[in-house]
Amino acid sequence: DAGVIQSPRHEVTEMGQEVTLRCKPISGHNSLFWYRQTMMRGLELLIYFNNNVPIDDSGMPEDRFSAKMPNASFSTLKIQPSEPRDSAVYFCASSPQGRSYEQYFGPGTRLTVT
Amino acid sequence: AQSVTQLGSHVSVSEGALVLLRCNYSSSVPPYLFWYVQYPNQGLQLLLKYTTGATLVKGINGFEAEFKKSETSFHLTKPSAHMSDAAEYFCAVRTGGGNKLTFGTGTQLKVEL
Repeated sequence: DAGVIQSPRHEVTEMGQEVTLRCKPISGHNSLFWYRQTMMRGLELLIYFNNNVPIDDSGMPEDRFSAKMPNASFSTLKIQPSEPRDSAVYFCASSPQGRSYEQYFGPGTRLTVT
Repeated sequence: AQSVTQLGSHVSVSEGALVLLRCNYSSSVPPYLFWYVQYPNQGLQLLLKYTTGATLVKGINGFEAEFKKSETSFHLTKPSAHMSDAAEYFCAVRTGGGNKLTFGTGTQLKVEL
């Protein structure tokens, strides 16, 4: 079975540019989570969706960040404009119906903003 | 609010020795507890979980953890370390009505020959 798929795996961009990270959850899973991991702050939940609907976006750092889930098999996390402090590894995770606490992580996107 | 504390950001053991990674939790409700492992340049992988029932939980790769309510602990153990166990390990607790996890700060496990 395919796991959570994220693209790109690595992204290097200049400050001020728009960045879009993509995620395909495991088929049949109905919850999707976006996390950010840095050395300083550890693993932080940014936003999560249930049945394609955003449920909690309290972890989104500021208005420069936005996330969408247009259908059950695709989600995006967009940063516009990007800043050097956004450099981190961004993970997407999905979980099955009734067990949303059991999360399956993708390989992550390493973002570097120069 | 629910939270977890991992004692020791770095743990080093010899190959074949006991692995013990410590996790204490704080929760106002019966907790659901998890251990995840992260290998270099990879995402987190679920090792094991405790929800209800038996307090000794067995996971993948020979790891197990015991839920001890009296000690508010959920320590991860493995009888004999292998070089392939070198990774970062995260303890987590379910929060926010059941859909969210709060992760600890992680423990980097080093296995030496």
